[in-house]
Amino acid sequence: NAGVTQTPKFRILKIGQSMTLQCTQDMNHNYMYWYRQDPGMGLKLIYYSVGAGITDKGEVPNGYNVSRSTTEDFPLRLELAAPSQTSVYFCASSRGQGTYGYTFGSGTRLTVV
Amino acid sequence: SQELEQSPQSLIVQEGKNLTINCTSSKTLYGLYWYKQKYGEGLIFLMMLQKGGEEKSHEKITAKLDEKKQQSSLHITASQPSHAGIYLCGADISGNQFYFGTGTSLTVIP
Repeated sequence: NAGVTQTPKFRILKIGQSMTLQCTQDMNHNYMYWYRQDPGMGLKLIYYSVGAGITDKGEVPNGYNVSRSTTEDFPLRLELAAPSQTSVYFCASSRGQGTYGYTFGSGTRLTVV
Repeated sequence: SQELEQSPQSLIVQEGKNLTINCTSSKTLYGLYWYKQKYGEGLIFLMMLQKGGEEKSHEKITAKLDEKKQQSSLHITASQPSHAGIYLCGADISGNQFYFGTGTSLTVIP
């Protein structure tokens, strides 16, 4: 019962570097989400996907890209890291909307220096 | 295993009724967040509680943090259809790991 698996758990990037945050779920959930959480600010939605091949922007998409080639995987790409992207990133999935609950990954702590 | 347990999992109430949602941790809480998801939308940040005994209100929604019980409760007074959605708690547990509950689905019948 893996649920939602995020890698890596921690990462330090230099300004301008690129990286991909991986997210995989094994529950056959259609909906997947990427959130960032800044201290005291709460979660903010970056991108979400309602199924393979479909992605859409959330509240704070600038500086990020996503893809959803399979139901299981929803990677988040940072192309040119900036200090403002220092945050904790969470991937989540759900079977659908409405009464379905979320399953969250354990988070990735990213620091951009 | 679930680090944060929310109860109940779902709730159906008549408009005007009060209700409470609980979020219980198996470990020490270092800050607790409450979110709401309206159907078809993303998560909305409601409030954050940091200190034991702290209580915050947002419109008709009040949340309290009981550090000793390692629990937070979210109370809605005189519920309205606009309160319907999924309520989610999230917490910094043991100072270095953030967890979320599975959510409580609230339906308010007019």
